[in-house]
Amino acid sequence: EPEVTQTPSHQVTQMGQEVILRCVPISNHLYFYWYRQILGQKVEFLVSFYNNEISEKSEIFDDQFSVERPDGSNFTLKIRSTKLEDSAMYFCASSGYRGTYNEQFFGPGTRLTVL
Amino acid sequence: DAKTTQPNSMESNEEEPVHLPCNHSTISGTDYIHWYRQLPSQGPEYVIHGLTSNVNNRMASLAIAEDRKSSTLILHRATLRDAAVYYCILRAPGSARQLTFGSGTQLTVLP
Repeated sequence: EPEVTQTPSHQVTQMGQEVILRCVPISNHLYFYWYRQILGQKVEFLVSFYNNEISEKSEIFDDQFSVERPDGSNFTLKIRSTKLEDSAMYFCASSGYRGTYNEQFFGPGTRLTVL
Repeated sequence: DAKTTQPNSMESNEEEPVHLPCNHSTISGTDYIHWYRQLPSQGPEYVIHGLTSNVNNRMASLAIAEDRKSSTLILHRATLRDAAVYYCILRAPGSARQLTFGSGTQLTVLP
C-alpha cells in the first residue's frame, strides 16, 4: 500500500540554524500539507500546496517558513532560523483528488528538537 | 468551520464494542463528518467519513443522527491496537482544505 514517507525521523538543531524537513508524498497525489504537533498539544495546520503554489497557510506559517516541491516527488519544509518554540513533530500529508471526501494520508513525522 | 465536541477520554475492554460520540450541532447541510485517529507516536490516520447515512468500512462504522447534529464512531471489537486519540472533523464538500484537529477523545483499551 502506498504511503507518505518523511526524513529524517529526528532532527536536532541549534537555535538560529536552518533546517529542511523532507517528505515524499504518495505518487499521483495532487495536494500536499504540513502540520505540526507540539508535545502534548493539538495537531496544527501549517500550509497546503497545490499546483506548485501555496493554497492556504496558517498564522504559524510566517516568513521563517517556506515549502517547495523541487523535483516532482519530494515536498520540503524549510525553517530558516529555528527558534526553541519550533520544537515539535512535523507531519507531512498528501491527498489525491478534489472530491467530496479527499482523505489525507499522513507520514510518520519528523521530530524536530531545537536546542 | 463548525465546531465539534468530544469527550476527553474513554475506556473500553478489549474485544468489546466502543461507541465514541461527537456533537456537531452547528453542522451545515453539506458538511461531511470525518473521523481520524492518531496512534501513539504516529501521524493521524483516516478512519471513516459520512454525510447522512450510516457507513461501514473495514475499520469502523459511523452512525449519524437523523438531524446530523451528532454522530458516533463504532469500533465493533476493540483491540489494544485501537488505543489512540480519535478526532471528529467536519469538512466542506469538494474540500482539499486543511483538517482542523480538536483535542479528540483519548481511547484506552484495557486487556
